[in-house]
Amino acid sequence: GAVVSQHPSRVICKSGTSVKIECRSLDFQATTMFWYRQFPKQSLMLMATSNEGSKATYEQGVEKDKFLINHASLTLSTLTVTSAHPEDSSFYICSAARATGPSSGNTIYFGEGSWLTVV
Amino acid sequence: KQEVTQIPAALSVPEGENLVLNCSFTDSAIYNLQWFRQDPGKGLTSLLLIQSSQREQTSGRLNASLDKSSGRSTLYIAASQPGDSATYLCAVTYNTNAGKSTFGDGTTLTVKP
Repeated sequence: GAVVSQHPSRVICKSGTSVKIECRSLDFQATTMFWYRQFPKQSLMLMATSNEGSKATYEQGVEKDKFLINHASLTLSTLTVTSAHPEDSSFYICSAARATGPSSGNTIYFGEGSWLTVV
Repeated sequence: KQEVTQIPAALSVPEGENLVLNCSFTDSAIYNLQWFRQDPGKGLTSLLLIQSSQREQTSGRLNASLDKSSGRSTLYIAASQPGDSATYLCAVTYNTNAGKSTFGDGTTLTVKP
């Protein structure tokens, strides 16, 4: 079964409003989560690294004031798209790093993604 | 810059045919490689995950191989069915990026009945 849950899977919002997408690790603690965005007919691109208890690290070109990331607990990271515009309509997906042992590093699990439509 | 390339971008085959999708990556210091399926307007479904120490993984009609030295992975689909029609993405996670993944652009597969 899924070990990373993303909600909502699909959301429609009006221009100018804000919308929040949640990413939860279901049975493990994730100190690090990642947010990606898929542009039409393009690959998924990393937006930011979400670190529990500290500020997110954004990739170049990603507006941190528009895409607010909060990682307040070890099992939950949220992405809030503020003052949404139609061009923000996209597929957003998160992944979470699960520690698998001192010598084996992390295993990365992906959520199923969220489709955002801004009208 | 770490790049992931998938060839072909699109593939159309008749039902029942065996096929191979390709994924190549520029940096061989990978942590793992994962194949996903994405249906139009849907989310990602994880198909197979290959750790860097592994050479292949199998699940039903799917077999994924990994050759780090040549920077390549293949996804083999046996006896294709119309229900296999989807976009297939490969994602590479690198040791140096602490869990960040780089995705290929995907191969859109159409299996004709």
